Amino acid sequence: AQTVTQSQPEMSVQEAETVTLSCTYDTSESDYYLFWYKQPPSRQMILVIRQEAYKQQNATENRFSVNFQKAAKSFSLKISDSQLGDAAMYFCAYKDSNYQLIWGAGTKLIIKP
Amino acid sequence: KAGVTQTPRYLIKTRGQQVTLSCSPISGHRSVSWYQQTPGQGLQFLFEYFSETQRNKGNFPGRFSGRQFSNSRSEMNVSTLELGDSALYLCASSRIAGDSYEQYFGPGTRLTVT
Repeated sequence: AQTVTQSQPEMSVQEAETVTLSCTYDTSESDYYLFWYKQPPSRQMILVIRQEAYKQQNATENRFSVNFQKAAKSFSLKISDSQLGDAAMYFCAYKDSNYQLIWGAGTKLIIKP
Repeated sequence: KAGVTQTPRYLIKTRGQQVTLSCSPISGHRSVSWYQQTPGQGLQFLFEYFSETQRNKGNFPGRFSGRQFSNSRSEMNVSTLELGDSALYLCASSRIAGDSYEQYFGPGTRLTVT
C-alpha cells in the first residue's frame, strides 16, 4: 500500500527567507500525481502545486517549487521569500490509480516576522 | 468560475442521529471525492464518485454512504452517529485536463456529534 511521510511536524522560517518542507512516499506504481496542499486556520484546503510523475521537470508556481526525485521517492516543497500569509499546515499527497489521495501527516509552517 | 461548495458549513448532531452533507463540484468536473479530517487520524479517504458511480471506497463502516447525481452534485450520509464521527468533512472535485490532473477542495463541513 502507498504511504506518504512528512517527517517535520513543525517548521519555522524568518519572513522573506526560504524554507524547504520534506515529503517521501512509497509506491510500486510508475504513473501517479503528487500534490502539496496548504490548509490555513480557515481549514480551506488550497492546492499549492502538483507534479506529474512522468514529467522530469520540477513544477514551479511563483514562489513555490518542488524538488521531485522519482527514484528516491522524494517530493520536497521549497517556499522562497516567505510571507506571513504562508503560515499554515502543509500536506503532501499522493494520488493513486484508485482515485484517492493518500496524505501525509502535515507540517505546520510558522513564519516569524 | 465558481469553486467547490459544501453545505452546511457547520452542523451539530446528537449520537444516534443521521446526517447528510452536500457537495457541488466545479462546473465541468465529473469526479467528486470525500475525505474525513480529524486531529487523531488526519485525512482519510471516504469514497469517490464519477458519473454517478462509486469507483472507490475507503476503510469506513457501512454507516458512511454517498451518492452522486446526474449534475455531478454529491451527498454523503452518516447514519447512527457516534462521537468519533466528529470531524471536518472535505469534498473535492477533480478532472483530467490534458496531461494533468486537477483536484480542488471545498471549504468543508464541520460536524460535531454530542
